[in-house]
Amino acid sequence: EDKVVQSPLSLVVHEGDTVTLNCSYEVTNFRSLLWYKQEKKAPTFLFMLTSSGIEKKSGRLSSILDKKELSSILNITATQTGDSAIYLCAPQTGTYKYIFGTGTRLKVLA
Amino acid sequence: DAGVTQSPTHLIKTRGQQVTLRCSPKSGHDTVSWYQQALGQGPQFIFQYYEEEERQRGNFPDRFSGHQFPNYSSELNVNALLLGDSALYLCASIQTGGTEAFFGQGTRLTVV
Repeated sequence: EDKVVQSPLSLVVHEGDTVTLNCSYEVTNFRSLLWYKQEKKAPTFLFMLTSSGIEKKSGRLSSILDKKELSSILNITATQTGDSAIYLCAPQTGTYKYIFGTGTRLKVLA
Repeated sequence: DAGVTQSPTHLIKTRGQQVTLRCSPKSGHDTVSWYQQALGQGPQFIFQYYEEEERQRGNFPDRFSGHQFPNYSSELNVNALLLGDSALYLCASIQTGGTEAFFGQGTRLTVV
């Protein structure tokens, strides 16, 4: 059975802190791994990772995939209150089928 | 571009009733997937439609069914509602060859 585990489940930090969110997966027919941010309802896309060891960056956010360890991390530097959200990790299996983890709930305090 | 739109936004139903949720994909997107997100959980894959056919299905009972229309819009039907069906139902669309799925705002279904 496909499994995705994210840690920590929740995190409270202060503005300016750096956070690292973890995602471990065991899925069949792995194709890629996506990260989404969910603030209210609609998850919004952050990154898609397909190759091991190649970091993807977007502003203060970055992510990397380790296919050998079946894991990925999402880093956020210089956190802001607007980063408060649930961060979802989703390996892709099959054709555009995503297996989501429970998510990490991040709260950034001013 | 309106993105992915879902209707209704909220719905309250009684146990045993049937419900239909609707999704209009982002312009140009031909593949629609439905997810169920219970409180405190990540979205769970229900099924996916492409070319008006169910292409993939997750571990959901037959009470969950769907349809895709020629304009790529989609419906999710749930029969014989249970209290446990209360959740946020998300629709995601993607264009064949695309790299990211776009999600709608979801329909919050409450079964009482």
